[in-house]
Amino acid sequence: QSVLTQPPSVSGAPGQRVTISCTGSSSNIGAGYDVHWYQQLPGTAPKLLIYGNSNRPSGVPDRFSGSKSGTSASLAITGLQAEDEADYYCQSYDSSLSVLFGGGTKLTVL
Amino acid sequence: QLQLQESGPGLVKPSETLSLTCTVSGGSISSSSYYWGWIRQPPGKGLEWIGSIYYSGSTYYNPSLKSRVTISVDTSKNQFSLKLSSVTAADTAVYYCARWMATTQFDYWGQGTLVTVSS
Repeated sequence: QSVLTQPPSVSGAPGQRVTISCTGSSSNIGAGYDVHWYQQLPGTAPKLLIYGNSNRPSGVPDRFSGSKSGTSASLAITGLQAEDEADYYCQSYDSSLSVLFGGGTKLTVL
Repeated sequence: QLQLQESGPGLVKPSETLSLTCTVSGGSISSSSYYWGWIRQPPGKGLEWIGSIYYSGSTYYNPSLKSRVTISVDTSKNQFSLKLSSVTAADTAVYYCARWMATTQFDYWGQGTLVTVSS
């Protein structure tokens, strides 16, 4: 069981907006450590999608956005497209000097 | 463009030691800004951080794996390596190497290599 909690699955129709939550605690997200998000397409390595809570690496569409508040963070995807169907993982750091990953969320585009 | 490539045996026997190497190209492993890490993903499951290393040899390990893990670096070859001892079937996974900006994100990943633990 992951220290960072994500919903196992979310879904949405093309064009819609979906959000994925990531809940931690006072020793990780709540301690001020940043949250990062990764997209993993089937059969491929994870790809950095959002870093530092809300920043997009070059090449990531602005349909993807991130936010953080208290002990939680969220990833929002607007204008959902079929190609967004993937697994999404949040990641942070803990005061115990450990890197933490969420359990992952499978996004289905209906 | 920075590239990372994992290499090593795809099959390891139970109780033996899993050994993998990550070769970094397109950049120096001795960069002062970055650590280098190993992450694994059992089939159909999520990501698990194994540990990370700085070019000087300083390491961070996942507490749940610490007793079995050794990560080392060879700056002359621009490589870092993972050893995981006393493996069981539960260690069967795709193993990824990645560049880590300490306490923050993993920004470059290798393609991953599947290691199966089986007799």
